[in-house]
Amino acid sequence: NAGVMQNPRHLVRRRGQEARLRCSPMKGHSHVYWYRQLPEEGLKFMVYLQKENIIDESGMPKERFSAEFPKEGPSILRIQQVVRGDSAAYFCASAPTYRDRGEGYTFGSGTRLTVV
Amino acid sequence: DQQVKQNSPSLSVQEGRISILNCDYTNSMFDYFLWYKKYPAEGPTFLISISSIKDKNEDGRFTVFLNKSAKHLSLHIVPSQPGDSAVYFCAARTNTGNQFYFGTGTSLTVIP
Repeated sequence: NAGVMQNPRHLVRRRGQEARLRCSPMKGHSHVYWYRQLPEEGLKFMVYLQKENIIDESGMPKERFSAEFPKEGPSILRIQQVVRGDSAAYFCASAPTYRDRGEGYTFGSGTRLTVV
Repeated sequence: DQQVKQNSPSLSVQEGRISILNCDYTNSMFDYFLWYKKYPAEGPTFLISISSIKDKNEDGRFTVFLNKSAKHLSLHIVPSQPGDSAVYFCAARTNTGNQFYFGTGTSLTVIP
């Protein structure tokens, strides 16, 4: 999974702080997806972005969470005023084409957020 | 609302034998299914897929079977190898949706 770079790998935040998770897609990929995996659960879709556009944010919590994918630089998932329930592994995937069938998804290694 | 379910959290198999991982789904609009493999501290990697117009897809040691009437798919690994030990997720998507729905995963251990 070296192609999709996520950082940091581990992030510890105190309740009420902000968490910023970064994702650099594979070269040539302009579609980015964020998924969250809570303990003992499967991955759950959060948001789908293209460069400078949010295409589908139906999986994003309504408050405190936001995502962007600027023209230059990585995609950012931002969580404001973190709570213990935000502790999870956050995975980013990139794909080269619109509505890639899934084989072209490349996942990063994830960011493990721990809220203390 | 768990639309994709993997009811076996874990499975142990002897090396050389067949591993069968199962997955059930509830949404009849799903038309594309995939299996991902995940090692600890890594992201999922694509393994094999199947479209709803097929009932079987094979790739080397890996075969996926789809039973649309039962809303059930399975992944067969034969022969199983120790390197296959990982967590396996099934995932599904509708023709119009942007997201994949993942199951909760089955942890496979292949015993040498």
